[in-house]
Amino acid sequence: DQQVKQNSPSLSVQEGRISILNCDYTNSMFDYFLWYKKYPAEGPTFLISISSIKDKNEDGRFTVFLNKSAKHLSLHIVPSQPGDSAVYFCAARVMEYGNKLVFGAGTILRVKS
Amino acid sequence: SQTIHQWPATLVQPVGSPLSLECTVEGTSNPNLYWYRQAAGRGLQLLFYSVGIGQISSEVPQNLSASRPQDRQFILSSKKLLLSDSGFYLCAWSVAWNEQFFGPGTRLTVL
Repeated sequence: DQQVKQNSPSLSVQEGRISILNCDYTNSMFDYFLWYKKYPAEGPTFLISISSIKDKNEDGRFTVFLNKSAKHLSLHIVPSQPGDSAVYFCAARVMEYGNKLVFGAGTILRVKS
Repeated sequence: SQTIHQWPATLVQPVGSPLSLECTVEGTSNPNLYWYRQAAGRGLQLLFYSVGIGQISSEVPQNLSASRPQDRQFILSSKKLLLSDSGFYLCAWSVAWNEQFFGPGTRLTVL
């Protein structure tokens, strides 16, 4: 039962353009959403998050949008840089004992220079 | 500042051998601790989490176990490894309801 889905296994974008990574979820009890970035053979790095009471959160080149009615969130990276090339994981949390996260399968982003 | 350590970075073990992976966190007290596994081409699967010393919750039935002998130490173990235990193992920590922060990971290959 995949509660968090990233349907695009990979995405290729030209340097300087916008990268849009998408994530869908099924559990309406999720109250907090996060994006992580991961390079090969390293642990994921926290990027940005959004509470379910908001629809947008911005941090520099990264913006996360949340559409609760559609159970959809997206990460926008503008402008994209070659160093952004990595695997991006969407994660969601149900506010319960243990502060557990459910992760999507990840999207490989390649930014071409 | 907080840091998280995992060792070893890579490990090659024969089928049927035991396993012990260690994770330690510095710079924080009473963190929540987590073990994840990333299988090839897949997302992160939560294996165990702990909210305190000696408190372990298992998310999926498997050939592995976890222990938390000290506040900032989390150990992943197995008595007999299976081929299917191969993967990239990640330890993470969080405080209260905040974000989880991950360690560098251990690449385990079972032959």
